[in-house]
Amino acid sequence: AQTVTQSQPEMSVQEAETVTLSCTYDTSESDYYLFWYKQPPSRQMILVIRQEAYKQQNATENRFSVNFQKAAKSFSLKISDSQLGDAAMYFCGNNDMRFGAGTRLTVKP
Amino acid sequence: GAGVSQSPRYKVAKRGQDVALRCDPISGHVSLFWYQQALGQGPEFLTYFQNEAQLDKSGLPSDRFFAERPEGSVSTLKIQRTQQEDSAVYLCASTSNGGLYNEQFFGPGTRLTVL
Repeated sequence: AQTVTQSQPEMSVQEAETVTLSCTYDTSESDYYLFWYKQPPSRQMILVIRQEAYKQQNATENRFSVNFQKAAKSFSLKISDSQLGDAAMYFCGNNDMRFGAGTRLTVKP
Repeated sequence: GAGVSQSPRYKVAKRGQDVALRCDPISGHVSLFWYQQALGQGPEFLTYFQNEAQLDKSGLPSDRFFAERPEGSVSTLKIQRTQQEDSAVYLCASTSNGGLYNEQFFGPGTRLTVL
């Protein structure tokens, strides 16, 4: 079965700074999709960014970007210019409906 | 437009009771997913529908769990003879088509507490 692992239960960043959240995965598929979802406190999960494995270029959405290392099976999320509204649980997931345990991000003013 | 809605938002059940959790996906969305999220954990896949067909139920933890989507829209997750370990938030999500590579739109969840 495919697995997704997030090894950082909690991370903290100063407002306006950059933070990177880690994710590793295991798959035997040659083509797959990876996702980062954000779950703000008491609010619904929303998609942050998506990466298609066959695309070598790292996905970018405004202040959010990924570092996708296919050979290492690593898929980290970089948040630039962190804002207070970025504080949330972040979940890494794949198209096999597997999610990691999450990373709680705190943003300090 | 309306997003994914779930009801009830909170449910308290006594051990041994049956519960039914409802999910209203975004109108027209083909695929619907159920997840179980324990406190401090990520969502765990339960089951997946494409229209009215249940294509994958490999994540259902026991035969006490049953899900249906008879008309390809609203879905119900039923848990029979609830146990304390069933206490969790149950999330529903939908996607616009049948592919598993699309963005999932999540509902707010139903928090089930079994006493």
